[in-house]
Amino acid sequence: TQLLEQSPQFLSIQEGENLTVYCNSSSVFSSLQWYRQEPGEGPVLLVTVVTGGEVKKLKRLTFQFGDARKDSSLHITAAQPGDTGLYLCAGADTNAGKSTFGDGTTLTVKP
Amino acid sequence: DSGVTQTPKHLITATGQRVTLRCSPRSGDLSVYWYQQSLDQGLQFLIQYYNGEERAKGNILERFSAQQFPDLHSELNLSSLELGDSALYFCASSVGAGGGETQYFGPGTRLLVL
Repeated sequence: TQLLEQSPQFLSIQEGENLTVYCNSSSVFSSLQWYRQEPGEGPVLLVTVVTGGEVKKLKRLTFQFGDARKDSSLHITAAQPGDTGLYLCAGADTNAGKSTFGDGTTLTVKP
Repeated sequence: DSGVTQTPKHLITATGQRVTLRCSPRSGDLSVYWYQQSLDQGLQFLIQYYNGEERAKGNILERFSAQQFPDLHSELNLSSLELGDSALYFCASSVGAGGGETQYFGPGTRLLVL
């Protein structure tokens, strides 16, 4: 069974601070997706990383895929209240034909 | 806007009743996935359909069933509803059948069973 562990589970910070959340597994994934979900809404895709060691930037968000394609991190610089939400990672295994979702990191950015 | 639509947005019903949730995938996507998200749990995969046929099954209860129609929209039927079925139900879609592809989520249906 492929498991994705996200840490921390909860994170509360002040506006302007930096933060990193992690997504770890013992399994290798073909690709990994990060989503952000606001309360009562559906998860919105932020990025897909495919290549081991890949780094993608989306404004103040930096996503990194581990060299072995087993883990990923999301770094947010100068967090803003609008970044508040549940951040989910999902590992895709095209060989097994399945995607596995982590339980998410709930981020609260206080003004 | 992901391009995935779900109706209704909210649904309130009583225990023992039956409801149907509807999902239209993004244009060109052939796979539809259904997920349940409760307050104390993450996204729980229920079932996947690809081009009208069941492709993968997750933790879907026997009281629940789904189907995908020729126009690729999908319906999730929940019967003999219990209080514990109250949750957000999401539909997602992807292009192919692999199940390991990027999935795009709809806005969800919030179900409240009283």
